[in-house]
Amino acid sequence: GQQVMQIPQYQHVQEGEDFTTYCNSSTTLSNIQWYKQRPGGHPVFLIQLVKSGEVKKQKRLTFQFGEAKKNSSLHITATQTTDVGTYFCAGWRYTGNQFYFGTGTSLTVIP
Amino acid sequence: DGGITQSPKYLFRKEGQNVTLSCEQNLNHDAMYWYRQDPGQGLRLIYYSQIVNDFQKGDIAEGYSVSREKKESFPLTVTSAQKNPTAFYLCASSIRLTRGGNQPQHFGDGTRLSIL
Repeated sequence: GQQVMQIPQYQHVQEGEDFTTYCNSSTTLSNIQWYKQRPGGHPVFLIQLVKSGEVKKQKRLTFQFGEAKKNSSLHITATQTTDVGTYFCAGWRYTGNQFYFGTGTSLTVIP
Repeated sequence: DGGITQSPKYLFRKEGQNVTLSCEQNLNHDAMYWYRQDPGQGLRLIYYSQIVNDFQKGDIAEGYSVSREKKESFPLTVTSAQKNPTAFYLCASSIRLTRGGNQPQHFGDGTRLSIL
C-alpha cells in the first residue's frame, strides 16, 4: 500500500488565498523533501528538512517537519498563478532503506 | 549545462515487445533512479542504483530490468512481463545516498510510453 499520503489530492484557490498541503507517513522518516511539478514538466526539488520540528521558509512558502518525523506540511501564503502545479513530499524510511514519494497535491490558482 | 537527458520523449510499443528507455546524466552523480508516474498516484520507485554495477529494486520492479555499467547511464527495460506499461517514466539522479537517507534528486524530462 501507499506509504506516504498527501491531502488534499486537489485544491482550487482564488489568487491571493493561502494553500496548505499535508504529508503523512506510516513510519518514521529520516528526512523529508518537497518537490514541485508544473503541468507537463518534471519534479523540481524545493527543500529538504532533517530535524524533528524543523521549520524553513522560502519567500511565501513555509515548510514544517513534524516532531515525530512522520508528517510534514507546505503552506503557501497569498498564492499566485505561478504557484500552479503538483506538490510532492518525499522521504527516506529508516527501516528497509526505502525511499517514497507522496501521492501529491495538485494546486490550481484561479486568477 | 549539466543535466539529465531522457530519450525518447514519446515511445510506442506493441504488445509482447521489450523496450528500453535511455537515461544519461553529466552531473557526476553516483545515485540514479527510475520512477513511474500514473495520474493521481504520484511517483513510484522502480529501481535505483547507488554505484556502478549495483542496483536495488523499488516498490514496483516486477516486469522491469536495469543495468548500471557506466556512472553516467542507467537504462530501463520495460519487458513484455509488465502487464500495464503505459505510463510516464522519470529518471533522476543525486549525489551518493548517505546513512541519513536520500539526497535531493534532479529529474529528466521523462519518457511517455504507450502501448499500440
